[in-house]
Amino acid sequence: RKEVEQDPGPFNVPEGATVAFNCTYSNSASQSFFWYRQDCRKEPKLLMSVYSSGNEDGRFTAQLNRASQYISLLIRDSKLSDSATYLCVVGNSGGYQKVTFGTGTKLQVIP
Amino acid sequence: DTAVSQTPKYLVTQMGNDKSIKCEQNLGHDTMYWYKQDSKKFLKIMFSYNNKELIINETVPNRFSPKSPDKAHLNLHINSLELGDSAVYFCASSQETEQFFGPGTRLTVL
Repeated sequence: RKEVEQDPGPFNVPEGATVAFNCTYSNSASQSFFWYRQDCRKEPKLLMSVYSSGNEDGRFTAQLNRASQYISLLIRDSKLSDSATYLCVVGNSGGYQKVTFGTGTKLQVIP
Repeated sequence: DTAVSQTPKYLVTQMGNDKSIKCEQNLGHDTMYWYKQDSKKFLKIMFSYNNKELIINETVPNRFSPKSPDKAHLNLHINSLELGDSAVYFCASSQETEQFFGPGTRLTVL
């Protein structure tokens, strides 16, 4: 089983739609969770951290379910500019921040 | 000002050659990383340094040798390049949890 698994997509959605991505992780001792965004031929950039209580940043909502070991990202009112690959990232519990990236879920928002 | 910079941006070379990629960060972070992103877009950690000390060394061929002359720089030297080394190599730095990535070096081995 991969450490971090995501559906690669692509998810093709119309502008204004709501889309959700899930990610599962295998290490129950994982301590930190993130969503990164990677545009085509660019570097990954942090989108948001994910907390046990769930967190929201504008149109983006992230949730963590420790019991089931999955993380979700919900995007409301999709914009063309949301088209990118979304990477689920899980950090270990060690003293140094080693993180494992999922393979990413590609989102294409269509006019 | 660029936070994490890498040189070169593109590198095209023949099999068997030796090449280096350089990375510098001006964020004052203690930890730096090298990642490899292959053609399937899978981003995999290769090495990590904390204050010039190697702390993560994943299963990487010993043809790859990182060097950190100071905590703001992390270079990657690759000996005897192979076709399978073709990928995008990203440098990153972090202080706590968020990792800041450089723009990547696209390596093509012919």
